[in-house]
Amino acid sequence: GQNIDQPTEMTATEGAIVQINCTYQTSGFNGLFWYQQHAGEAPTFLSYNVLDGLEEKGRFSSFLSRSKGYSYLLLKELQMKDSASYLCAAMDSNYQLIWGAGTKLIIKP
Amino acid sequence: GAVVSQHPSWVICKSGTSVKIECRSLDFQATTMFWYRQFPKQSLMLMATSNEGSKATYEQGVEKDKFLINHASLTLSTLTVTSAHPEDSSFYICSASAGERQEQFFGPGTRLTVL
Repeated sequence: GQNIDQPTEMTATEGAIVQINCTYQTSGFNGLFWYQQHAGEAPTFLSYNVLDGLEEKGRFSSFLSRSKGYSYLLLKELQMKDSASYLCAAMDSNYQLIWGAGTKLIIKP
Repeated sequence: GAVVSQHPSWVICKSGTSVKIECRSLDFQATTMFWYRQFPKQSLMLMATSNEGSKATYEQGVEKDKFLINHASLTLSTLTVTSAHPEDSSFYICSASAGERQEQFFGPGTRLTVL
């Protein structure tokens, strides 16, 4: 079956760095997405990886290892506004997104 | 980035009534639109996938006669919740995709409360 695993909740301190891990099992693979979702709002796109390696975009970076079925989202210089849920989603061979349950990130001053 | 709008943002209705939610891609032509439902503190649940001009593909467990989807053009899809009941109260989110990578752009969501 298809499955996405990510931690339910993480806590970090303002100004610090946090890494949110995601492992996936899908029928075929067409890329790994990370979305940010604030409470009561729709998800917003953060990153997309289809090749192995690290993609950096400002304070946020995303890493992918296809052989390990593993990705992580790295957030640097954390700000209070980064408190949100972070959703990992893998696209399968039918171009359908398989969603993780999301990781709730709590930022403390 | 691409912009997707949803209308209404929130709606409160009586049990037994029908509610229509519109999803529009404002600055691109969406080959595919997706409808999701999200209950509090849960992840997104895909309800159906629709392609312009063809019938929607519903996920297992989603009643197609209750959740009517119409994708009349490359910029508009509608979801109608027929004979809504309190258990249908949820956050309904649409997304649209175009292009080879088929990244999904999300609408802002519609919060439905059925009394």
